[in-house]
Amino acid sequence: DTGVSQNPRHKITKRGQNVTFRCDPISEHNRLYWYRQTLGQGPEFLTYFQNEAQLEKSRLLSDRFSAERPKGSFSTLEIQRTEQGDSAMYLCASSLYQGRPQHFGDGTRLSIL
Amino acid sequence: AQKVTQAQTEISVVEKEDVTLDCVYETRDTTYYLFWYKQPPSGELVFLIRRNSFDEQNEISGRYSWNFQKSTSSFNFTITASQVVDSAVYFCALSEASRDEKLTFGTGTRLTIIP
Repeated sequence: DTGVSQNPRHKITKRGQNVTFRCDPISEHNRLYWYRQTLGQGPEFLTYFQNEAQLEKSRLLSDRFSAERPKGSFSTLEIQRTEQGDSAMYLCASSLYQGRPQHFGDGTRLSIL
Repeated sequence: AQKVTQAQTEISVVEKEDVTLDCVYETRDTTYYLFWYKQPPSGELVFLIRRNSFDEQNEISGRYSWNFQKSTSSFNFTITASQVVDSAVYFCALSEASRDEKLTFGTGTRLTIIP
């Protein structure tokens, strides 16, 4: 069990640029979640996959955000035309099935200059 | 709508004291799950415990214990004989079986253990 892996750990970019983050869940976990955490707050749900199907998206996920999980394995989260307000920690979590706890990766910290 | 309230923003105690972190939740579902996560300064979220809505038994794990009371919609967390390594932000979270179990987190309690 190697845990949830996220890359990169840190991303610094200029406003208006596109960024992409990757999440590798625990291998047998079919549920994958993305959350965003800003300073002093708890994580907020962004989107959820069961296998390769994206089943729910939060209102926080504007049309500049897109997430994929091809073949139900790793997932990517892309932010287009980044804005200052996108600066946050982006967390990925996976779980085995309904009712089981979600295990989190170390997150990707995004800073917009 | 689901909601989690952690009224204590910051708590400081001297090492070896006991400390209780409060969590109050709101949900309309009858099947739901409650969690506690620890976020140390390094940033990763560490899973501590999960309880389902049908199991109100309190749980003890070493120095940690949890008190789940449906009558007051509370799921409190007690650390006995606190240690410096317990210093972290602690989050209470709720998920509803009817909503694909996405987690709703409280705003967290920052716990500082003073040596």
